[in-house]
Amino acid sequence: AQSVTQLGSHVSVSEGALVLLRCNYSSSVPPYLFWYVQYPNQGLQLLLKYTSAATLVKGINGFEAEFKKSETSFHLTKPSAHMSDAAEYFCAVTGYNDMRFGAGTRLTVKP
Amino acid sequence: SQTIHQWPATLVQPVGSPLSLECTVEGTSNPNLYWYRQAAGRGLQLLFYSVGIGQISSEVPQNLSASRPQDRQFILSSKKLLLSDSGFYLCAWSLNSGIGVQETQYFGPGTRLLVL
Repeated sequence: AQSVTQLGSHVSVSEGALVLLRCNYSSSVPPYLFWYVQYPNQGLQLLLKYTSAATLVKGINGFEAEFKKSETSFHLTKPSAHMSDAAEYFCAVTGYNDMRFGAGTRLTVKP
Repeated sequence: SQTIHQWPATLVQPVGSPLSLECTVEGTSNPNLYWYRQAAGRGLQLLFYSVGIGQISSEVPQNLSASRPQDRQFILSSKKLLLSDSGFYLCAWSLNSGIGVQETQYFGPGTRLLVL
């Protein structure tokens, strides 16, 4: 079975600061890992995904994530936060059968 | 390219009334289809998924049901809504690459349901 834990339900950063959103996974099979972003009253948009190729994955809007098997982590980062990055972010994991989502992390960006 | 539609965008319904939410996908054939619910301040809960017409799997027993009358149409229904059914309902699709292969899921814009 697969599961995801997102550490921190709320993260607040200043504009221009580093964004770090944490995700740890559990999977009994080689996982595929995803980060999605959700803006208010909208659906989820795929940011990036890891599918066992390069461990450092680059996504849209300047985000990237690194797969670390030894730490069972897939943290999302962005070097410099922009006001438009304020949203909720979901980490997800799939194995062979279904996709499981974390509870989400709400990112606030302060001017 | 593929697109996914959901309607209505928002819905206010009294307790005990019926519900029908519709989701359609364009630009692909035989997709896997999913219904999720997102309650306020909580993550996504998978309600139903379908790998083909008439094939529905339920993840959580409740007063909701799902149907897939056509290849690219997925409907979420209820005969009598409860207050606890309020939430944001998201439909998603993925490629159907066979048993044991999980493709990326792509989400629709969602339906905000308020049960009063």
